[in-house]
Amino acid sequence: KQEVTQIPAALSVPEGENLVLNCSFTDSAIYNLQWFRQDPGKGLTSLLLIQSSQREQTSGRLNASLDKSSGRSTLYIAASQPGDSATYLCAPCYNFNKFYFGSGTKLNVKP
Amino acid sequence: GAVVSQHPSWVICKSGTSVKIECRSLDFQATTMFWYRQFPKQSLMLMATSNEGSKATYEQGVEKDKFLINHASLTLSTLTVTSAHPEDSSFYICSARLGAGDSNQPQHFGDGTRLSIL
Repeated sequence: KQEVTQIPAALSVPEGENLVLNCSFTDSAIYNLQWFRQDPGKGLTSLLLIQSSQREQTSGRLNASLDKSSGRSTLYIAASQPGDSATYLCAPCYNFNKFYFGSGTKLNVKP
Repeated sequence: GAVVSQHPSWVICKSGTSVKIECRSLDFQATTMFWYRQFPKQSLMLMATSNEGSKATYEQGVEKDKFLINHASLTLSTLTVTSAHPEDSSFYICSARLGAGDSNQPQHFGDGTRLSIL
């Protein structure tokens, strides 16, 4: 059974800090891995998609790394802003496009 | 681009009512759509995968007669919760993807439907 663990579960930081969100998954046979953002009571916004053959992807202030063999991915957020406050979900994708989601890291960036 | 619209966004109804939720891909053709459920303070759990024109594939533990899925066109999938009860109250989210089977295309998610059964 695939299990996805995200650490920390919650994070509260002052504005401007650089952040590291961690994700680990038990089954390393992934096709790709996506990081999502979920605002309270809302759906998901895709942030970054890393293919299994890639080591990292960057989009603006976000950088995601992938170590497939060890079953780990990390999301870096540079110069955090209050608008970054949300729950961040890690989702490795397996055959037939099955995503398994972690419980998320709830981020609060204080002005 | 790649917008997925879900309707309704929030529905409250009495126990025993059947509720239909629509998921539409607005600017692309979605060969495959996925339905997820999220209980409070829990993560998303995949309920079923549907490919246009064929029967949905349900995850273990999801009752196919309870959660009817129809994917009759490349832009629309519907989830009907039949005879809904309070324990079915949850946040239901759909996603859509271009490409069937083992495609590596990203999934695009709707904004979700909050279902409350009294």
